Formats: sequence, C-alpha cells, structure tokens
Amino acid sequence: GDSVTQMEGPVTLSEEAFLTINCTYTATGYPSLFWYVQYPGEGLQLLLKATKADDKGSNKGFEATYRKETTSFHLEKGSVQVSDSAVYFCALSYSNYQLIWGAGTKLIIKP
Amino acid sequence: GAVVSQHPSRVICKSGTSVKIECRSLDFQATTMFWYRQFPKQSLMLMATSNEGSKATYEQGVEKDKFLINHASLTLSTLTVTSAHPEDSSFYICSARGPSGSQNIQYFGAGTRLSVL
Repeated sequence: GDSVTQMEGPVTLSEEAFLTINCTYTATGYPSLFWYVQYPGEGLQLLLKATKADDKGSNKGFEATYRKETTSFHLEKGSVQVSDSAVYFCALSYSNYQLIWGAGTKLIIKP
Repeated sequence: GAVVSQHPSRVICKSGTSVKIECRSLDFQATTMFWYRQFPKQSLMLMATSNEGSKATYEQGVEKDKFLINHASLTLSTLTVTSAHPEDSSFYICSARGPSGSQNIQYFGAGTRLSVL
C-alpha cells in the first residue's frame, strides 16, 4: 500500500542554518504531496503542496519539489529561525482526499 | 483562507462522563470532515470520516459506539467521547475537506486536549 517515510527527529539546528527534512513515499498512483506544520499546542497548518511531478511548493521560505524519479518530497529552508521550531509532517493524498501521513519530524532551532 | 474552528481547546472530565467536541468550518461548506487522534510524539491516526447527512465511516479498530460522530450540517461535525476513561485521554483534531477548487486539501482545527481523570 501507499506510505510516507520521514527522517526521524528531533532535528536540532542553530538559527540561520540550512534545513533539510527528508520525505520519501511509495504510491500506486499519482498523488498530491503535502507538508503540514504543527506548532506547539496547536493543530496542523498546511505549509506547502505539490500536485504533480517536478512541481515545487513554497511558502514562508520553505520549499519542496515533487521528485517522481526518486519518489521524494524533501523540505528545505535556507535559513531557519527559532520560530520555525515545530513538528513537520509529510503526507500524500489522491483525489479522494484521504491523507496518508508520515510519522512527523520534530525540528528544534536554537538561538 | 478556509478556517476550521474546534471547541473546546482543552477539557478535563471525570471517568464515566461524556465529552462533546465541536468542529466548525467558518467560511466554507464542508461536506466531509475528518476526526484524528494524536498520541504524544506520534503522527495523526485517522479515526473516522464524517459526511454531512450520512453515517460516519470509522477506521478499523475505532469503536463507533464509543466515539459518536454527528455531521448534521454543512458547517458542523461533532465528536462525542462516551463514558470516557483515562485511556481516552489524547489530543483530538478535526479537519475539513477544502472548498470547491481545493478539495484535496484538508484544513485543520487547533485540536482538543482531553484529559480524563
């Protein structure tokens, strides 16, 4: 079946460091891919998405490119801030809208 | 953007009582809503899919008599945890399928922290 695999956390970085959170997927079809973010004590917010191969989703300085050849959707940011500390979830979905989730990666940014 | 409101944000109750959690889509109609449960340091577990005007579809292993879901209008779904016990303590999150044109996106409520004493 379809699945999403994320790198285990926590990921701890210093402020202004470069961030990569790996996400790979297995899919029988052609899903849309998502990154959601959960700040402490809050629900999830959609961070970015990509609907087809080679699409790049971007928001708030974060980027991820839908790579069909490597079945990946890695999240990147050039310079992280303390306020980026959160849990990041990678997910996939088909047009029937049910989300298949990765386990989440906790990101800790130290000043 | 689409906003989903979830209430209450936190509830503490005694064992054996029932707790109702509300999930509202504020600026769009949501024919489909989802209820998740999140355990500490874990991902979201889909409990059920709630469709307006029909019975909810529960995931395997989720007790439908324990977790009652009602989706009586296009903007409101409720989850009632009946006869709650300490093992039901968890973070419950609802989401709504996005409005027309963004239907493969889910918009999430802020979650409800349930503590059963």
